[in-house]
Amino acid sequence: KAGVTQTPRYLIKTRGQQVTLSCSPISGHRSVSWYQQTPGQGLQFLFEYFSETQRNKGNFPGRFSGRQFSNSRSEMNVSTLELGDSALYLCASSLALAGVDYEQYFGPGTRLTVT
Amino acid sequence: QQQVKQSPQSLIVQKGGISIINCAYENTAFDYFPWYQQFPGKGPALLIAIRPDVSEKKEGRFTISFNKSAKQFSLHIMDSQPGDSATYFCAASNHNQGGKLIFGQGTELSVKP
Repeated sequence: KAGVTQTPRYLIKTRGQQVTLSCSPISGHRSVSWYQQTPGQGLQFLFEYFSETQRNKGNFPGRFSGRQFSNSRSEMNVSTLELGDSALYLCASSLALAGVDYEQYFGPGTRLTVT
Repeated sequence: QQQVKQSPQSLIVQKGGISIINCAYENTAFDYFPWYQQFPGKGPALLIAIRPDVSEKKEGRFTISFNKSAKQFSLHIMDSQPGDSATYFCAASNHNQGGKLIFGQGTELSVKP
């Protein structure tokens, strides 16, 4: 079974631009969560999507948004990029079945650099 | 109350030794506690996880010990190997909040040959 895939793997953008990152979950997984990883703040939860609906949201400004498609693939968008948005963006997928351990499996991440 | 505090920040262990990483949490609503291993340039990989109705769980050389009253849990790596050198993260979540994992700050483990 293929793991979580994320595209692109690396991205360089300029302040003020916007960016869209993509995540394909493990086949059969219905939940996709996004995390930001930085040396200073560690791993921080951005949001979770389940059945095309945002189910949870972390403490990030409205410039960070996402969506999920009917095939469970997800995208996240960051508008008006700031230097502080430079980070590794990780996507995690889960079966999200009631009564089952909520195991999340991470992709390799997208390394975003904002200059 | 949402924090998970992890220690130590870095750890150096000799090959064959035991590596111990500790985490503490405040939110008693947390009911799922996974550990992740991350190598440079890779995403975190799920190692082992525990629920609060169990005090210990072992998978190969990796053991989680859980102390519900103290609100602490720890990862023990027995017979540590140089290939175990990585960053380890503890995390916690509540099933009512779905996929929202709260992570500790991470421990950089170095196993010396």
